[in-house]
Amino acid sequence: GAVVSQHPSRVICKSGTSVKIECRSLDFQATTMFWYRQFPKQSLMLMATSNEGSKATYEQGVEKDKFLINHASLTLSTLTVTSAHPEDSSFYICSASGMASGKKAQYFGPGTRLTVT
Amino acid sequence: TQLLEQSPQFLSIQEGENLTVYCNSSSVFSSLQWYRQEPGEGPVLLVTVVTGGEVKKLKRLTFQFGDARKDSSLHITAAQTGDTGLYLCAGARGGSNYKLTFGKGTLLTVNP
Repeated sequence: GAVVSQHPSRVICKSGTSVKIECRSLDFQATTMFWYRQFPKQSLMLMATSNEGSKATYEQGVEKDKFLINHASLTLSTLTVTSAHPEDSSFYICSASGMASGKKAQYFGPGTRLTVT
Repeated sequence: TQLLEQSPQFLSIQEGENLTVYCNSSSVFSSLQWYRQEPGEGPVLLVTVVTGGEVKKLKRLTFQFGDARKDSSLHITAAQTGDTGLYLCAGARGGSNYKLTFGKGTLLTVNP
C-alpha cells in the first residue's frame, strides 16, 4: 500500500531557531503534497498545498515567510518553520496525493511533533 | 469556504454498543473519505466513497454516501475498545490536486 514518511517524528528546538520537516512518498509519485497542522483532539488544519516544481499555495492566515515549503521532486516536500516560537509547537502532518494500488487518494504521513522551548 | 459539519464531536460509549457519525455539507463533493487517527499518529484512510447512494462495508463499519453527495455517515456495530480514536471525514471537490476539506472530527471512546 501507499506509504508516506515524515522525518523527524519528534523535534525539540529553541525559540528563534529553524526546523526542517521532510515528507516523502515512498512507493508512488506525488505531484501534490499537503501540509497540515493539528492541535490536540482537534481536526487537521490545512496550511499549504505543495506543488512539485512550483510555488506552494498557502491558506489564508498562514505566513508563507515563516513556513517555507519546497517540493523539489515528485517524492519529497519539506516544511521549514523559521524563527520558531513556542506558539508554533504543534503536530505537523503531511499528505501526498497520488495513485497507489489503483486508488487515487490522499495518503498521510505519521506526523511530526514539534516542541519549541 | 465550504464547510463539512461533523457530529457528534465527542462520543463515549460502552463496548458492544452501536454508533453513527455524521458528516453534512451544503456543497457537493466528488468523493468523501473517512479516516481514523490514533494519538501521535497520522490519519489512516478507512474508505473512499464516490457514487451518490453508495454503501461500503469494512467489517463492523458501514459507510454511506448521500444520494446528492453532500453528506455521509459512518456506522459502527458492536463497538470494541480498539475502535477508540479520532474519526475524520474529508470531502474532495475533484481537480488534479485532490485538496480535501476536513470535518472537525469525532473523538470516540469505547469503554470496556
